[in-house]
Amino acid sequence: DVKVTQSSRYLVKRTGEKVFLECVQDMDHENMFWYRQDPGLGLRLIYFSYDVKMKEKGDIPEGYSVSREKKERFSLILESASTNQTSMYLCASSLALGKAGGKETQYFGPGTRLLVL
Amino acid sequence: SQQGEEDPQALSIQEGENATMNCSYKTSINNLQWYRQNSGRGLVHLILIRSNEREKHSGRLRVTLDTSKKSSSLLITASRAADTASYFCATDSNYQLIWGAGTKLIIKP
Repeated sequence: DVKVTQSSRYLVKRTGEKVFLECVQDMDHENMFWYRQDPGLGLRLIYFSYDVKMKEKGDIPEGYSVSREKKERFSLILESASTNQTSMYLCASSLALGKAGGKETQYFGPGTRLLVL
Repeated sequence: SQQGEEDPQALSIQEGENATMNCSYKTSINNLQWYRQNSGRGLVHLILIRSNEREKHSGRLRVTLDTSKKSSSLLITASRAADTASYFCATDSNYQLIWGAGTKLIIKP
C-alpha cells in the first residue's frame, strides 16, 4: 500500500511566522502535490513537483513556496503566515511519470489542519 | 478553477438504500476520478474512468460517464454506515486534477 505521511495533523501558528509542512511518500512516486481544502471550495492546487528539484505553480501559489530536495519528500512553506491561510492542507503523490502524471490516480496523506492566529 | 460540480451537495439515506451522486464538468477530459473523504481525513481514490469508457464497477460502486453530456454518476449500492463520507469527482486539465466541492453522504442506521 502507498503511504503518504504528513508531519503534523494539527498546527497552531501566529501571524507572520514561517511555517513548514512536510510530506513523505514511501512508494518512489515521481509526482507530489500540495492542496488546500476549504469548505465549499473543494481542493485547490498550490504547487506540484514532477521530479526532484522541479516545481510548478498551481492555481493558488501566492504566499507559499515549496522544496523538493529528495524524491520522497515535498515541503510546503508559508513564508509569513496570515489568517487567510488557515485551512486544511493535503499532500498527495502520483506514480505516473512527468508533468502529465498529475492527471492520474493520486494518493493522499491524512492532512494537516493549520490554524493561524 | 472549479471544473467538476457534484450534485447534490448533501444526501441523507437509510442504511441499505442505494446512493447516487452526480458530477458535471465543462471541458473535454481524458479521465474522471472519484474519491472519498472521511471526516477530517485525507482522500481515498475509488475509481478512475477514461473518456472512452462508459461504465466501470468496483465492488458496490458503479460509475458511469457520458461525455456527450459532460457528466458522470457514482452509484453506491446497499449502503452501509461506513459509507458516510464526502465524495469528490476530479477531472484532468492540463497537468493537474480539477476538483468539485463534493457531495456529503450520510447513511442513517
